[in-house]
Amino acid sequence: KAGVTQTPRYLIKTRGQQVTLSCSPISGHRSVSWYQQTPGQGLQFLFEYFSETQRNKGNFPGRFSGRQFSNSRSEMNVSTLELGDSALYLCASSLGVGKGWNEQFFGPGTRLTVL
Amino acid sequence: SQQGEEDPQALSIQEGENATMNCSYKTSINNLQWYRQNSGRGLVHLILIRSNEREKHSGRLRVTLDTSKKSSSLLITASRAADTASYFCATVLDNYGQNFVFGPGTRLSVLP
Repeated sequence: KAGVTQTPRYLIKTRGQQVTLSCSPISGHRSVSWYQQTPGQGLQFLFEYFSETQRNKGNFPGRFSGRQFSNSRSEMNVSTLELGDSALYLCASSLGVGKGWNEQFFGPGTRLTVL
Repeated sequence: SQQGEEDPQALSIQEGENATMNCSYKTSINNLQWYRQNSGRGLVHLILIRSNEREKHSGRLRVTLDTSKKSSSLLITASRAADTASYFCATVLDNYGQNFVFGPGTRLSVLP
């Protein structure tokens, strides 16, 4: 079974631009979560999508948005990029059912650098 | 401050020794999970312990959970150089969804 894939793996953007990151979950998984990892803030939850609906949202500004398609693939978008958005963005998929007991499978991440 | 916090922040040991990492959290949880991350890569799930469990084993890993103290520990026995990585505990709050809260992690270095 293929793992979680994320594209692109590396991205360089300039301040003010916008970016779209893509995540393909493991086949059969309906939940996709996004995390931002920085040296200063560590791993922070961005949002989770389940069956094309945003089910949970972290404490990030509205510049960060996402969506999920009917095949469970997900995209996240960051508009008006700031230097502080430079981070490793990790996507995780899980079955997503039940009361938060599911193991999450992580992709390799997209490293975003904002200049 | 964060829901989960690992201790120590960094740990350096010799191959063959045991490594113990601790995690403390603040609110009620449904379960607690430990993950490993090799430098700059995705996270790998190690073990999940439910709130009604006290101890769990998986190979060379042993995890304990003390809900009265809101703490968990991860023990890696007979460590190997390949165990060098960052280790994170993630708590899942007592609700639906997959919004894991990760601690800052423990950086483990196993020296050959």
